Amino acid sequence: EGQLVESGGGLVQPGESLRLSCATSGFTFSRYEMNWVRQAPGKGLEWISYISAGGGTIYYADSVKGRLTISRDNAKKSVFLQLNSLRVEDTAVYYCVRDGWKLDAFDLWGQGTMVTVSS
Amino acid sequence: EIVLTQSPGTLSLSPGDRATLSCRASQSVSSSQLGWYQQKPGQAPRLLIYGASSRATGIPDRFRGSGSGTDFTLTISRLEPEDFAVYYCHQYTTPPFTFGPGTKVDI
Repeated sequence: EGQLVESGGGLVQPGESLRLSCATSGFTFSRYEMNWVRQAPGKGLEWISYISAGGGTIYYADSVKGRLTISRDNAKKSVFLQLNSLRVEDTAVYYCVRDGWKLDAFDLWGQGTMVTVSS
Repeated sequence: EIVLTQSPGTLSLSPGDRATLSCRASQSVSSSQLGWYQQKPGQAPRLLIYGASSRATGIPDRFRGSGSGTDFTLTISRLEPEDFAVYYCHQYTTPPFTFGPGTKVDI
């Protein structure tokens, strides 16, 4: 079935950076497209980034474009999210999410990692 | 950007009731790329429906998705206590791959 485990969240000040990691297991990682979705406290879900299986196609939400970089290492079965110039409004739980094989839907979610941006 | 609007915002029902949740898109969404997710407090979302009408693995048949184009519906035929949660629709047709704001189904 598979498992996704995020790490790297924490408390940072505005303008600082963080790198989130998502370690995967239990499936052939290199075949799957991956995404990051975030959820601010008490709010809804916000899709923020996508990376294709080979890493050649990447998309970002407008709210984060220019400040976030998604990447993946298929040999290490991991996907990453570099967050730069963090703002208070980036405070959220960040979920690593798998696009299911030929489903065009998010069939596997991590437990999430909390990012808090505060002075 | 495709904007998804969900209605109602909150649905107050009782166990055994039928729930009908609506998701309307600002432009046409491919039916193969419309999903529904359930989220309970403190948990990650869970995929219920993909391709507008296909149930994900392990999802009971009281959950039914339908619709096409710009109008989609999630129907829960008879609410069980564990169904009280927030439900989100999501489009994967055109980036940004937006979610709706959610419908809370509560008692």
